[in-house]
Amino acid sequence: GNSVTQMEGPVTLSEEAFLTINCTYTATGYPSLFWYVQYPGEGLQLLLKATKADDKGSNKGFEATYRKETTSFHLEKGSVQVSDSAVYFCALSVFTGGGNKLTFGTGTQLKVEL
Amino acid sequence: NAGVTQTPKFRVLKTGQSMTLLCAQDMNHEYMYWYRQDPGMGLRLIHYSVGEGTTAKGEVPDGYNVSRLKKQNFLLGLESAAPSQTSVYFCASSSRTSGWTQYFGPGTRLLVL
Repeated sequence: GNSVTQMEGPVTLSEEAFLTINCTYTATGYPSLFWYVQYPGEGLQLLLKATKADDKGSNKGFEATYRKETTSFHLEKGSVQVSDSAVYFCALSVFTGGGNKLTFGTGTQLKVEL
Repeated sequence: NAGVTQTPKFRVLKTGQSMTLLCAQDMNHEYMYWYRQDPGMGLRLIHYSVGEGTTAKGEVPDGYNVSRLKKQNFLLGLESAAPSQTSVYFCASSSRTSGWTQYFGPGTRLLVL
């Protein structure tokens, strides 16, 4: 079956520090990969996605590259801000007749301090 | 354009009571999904629908029923609530025109005593 493993949190960083959140996956077929972000008290928002190997998704200074050879999709940001504090979910989907059901990792909480 | 909305935002139930959670989307999406979010477990798919009048089981369907009588609405029912169903419930929708990106509602927090 499909599964996503991401690093456990919480991750605590100082403002302007470099961020990496690791994500690896196992999947049958050719998955699309996603990072979703959940701010406190809110639903999930798509942060970025990549649909095929070597694609790089990027948004709001965050980046992740689809690495088929290492089955990874690590999230990076060069300089985090306090406003980036949230829970980040890595997810994959393989399109079937049932649509693109998402398989999520357990989430990584990021805390950014001044 | 409200996107995906969910009602209610918060509810407290006693064990054995029933309730229905409503999800509505105004993006004309074909696919709709119900997830539950529990600490340390990410989101897990309960049921989903690929179109009006069709529903299917996800990963954790036991204790829940769903209906999709209208394309824009997806209802999640708990016939006899149990404390194990205390969770945050999220609805999502997607379509080919959205690039299959799932758009999520703000969630419903349910506490079963």
